[in-house]
Amino acid sequence: GENVEQHPSTLSVQEGDSAVIKCTYSDSASNYFPWYKQELGKGPQLIIDIRSNVGEKKDQRIAVTLNKTAKHFSLHITETQPEDSAVYFCAATSDNAGNMLTFGGGTRLMVKP
Amino acid sequence: ETGVTQTPRHLVMGMTNKKSLKCEQHLGHNAMYWYKQSAKKPLELMFVYNFKEQTENNSVPSRFSPECPNSSHLFLHLHTLQPEDSALYLCASSQGLGGEQYFGPGTRLTVT
Repeated sequence: GENVEQHPSTLSVQEGDSAVIKCTYSDSASNYFPWYKQELGKGPQLIIDIRSNVGEKKDQRIAVTLNKTAKHFSLHITETQPEDSAVYFCAATSDNAGNMLTFGGGTRLMVKP
Repeated sequence: ETGVTQTPRHLVMGMTNKKSLKCEQHLGHNAMYWYKQSAKKPLELMFVYNFKEQTENNSVPSRFSPECPNSSHLFLHLHTLQPEDSALYLCASSQGLGGEQYFGPGTRLTVT
């Protein structure tokens, strides 16, 4: 089955700096890669996703890149703000897996004002 | 508000108790999920229901028993749990399997 590794497990940045979180996956058939943000006391919320037919997707200050050959994808947050502080999860799935998501271990991002 | 509600938000139970967690979605979705979130395994899929039919049971012990009476409601019945079952239990829903999943706020369960 799919295995998703996520790094780093914790990340501390200064407000205004960029943050990058990386994930690798094992199943070459995976074709959908969402990113979730979980704030304290809340469930995860989808912030951006990418499918395997594109290499990059942007939405304001966040972007995701995908390298299918290397089987890794990354979340990029620019001009970080204190409200970006949360735990971020990457995930992967494929049609073969019945579209069941396999999540990475999570990254706790702390943005210092 | 994501349109997915869970009750109770916090639950403390003894190992001999029987309790139930409830999830309700107001999004018109037809797939619902139970996840366990703990420090050891951050997001672990437990059960999946699609149109009220269970499509996935991820090797979950029988002390956890799911029930899906309709596409809007999902329950997790708990009995004779162990302290290691203490975790945050998250419910999610999606429009079809593979669609974007919307999560509820979770139930923080403590087994004493």
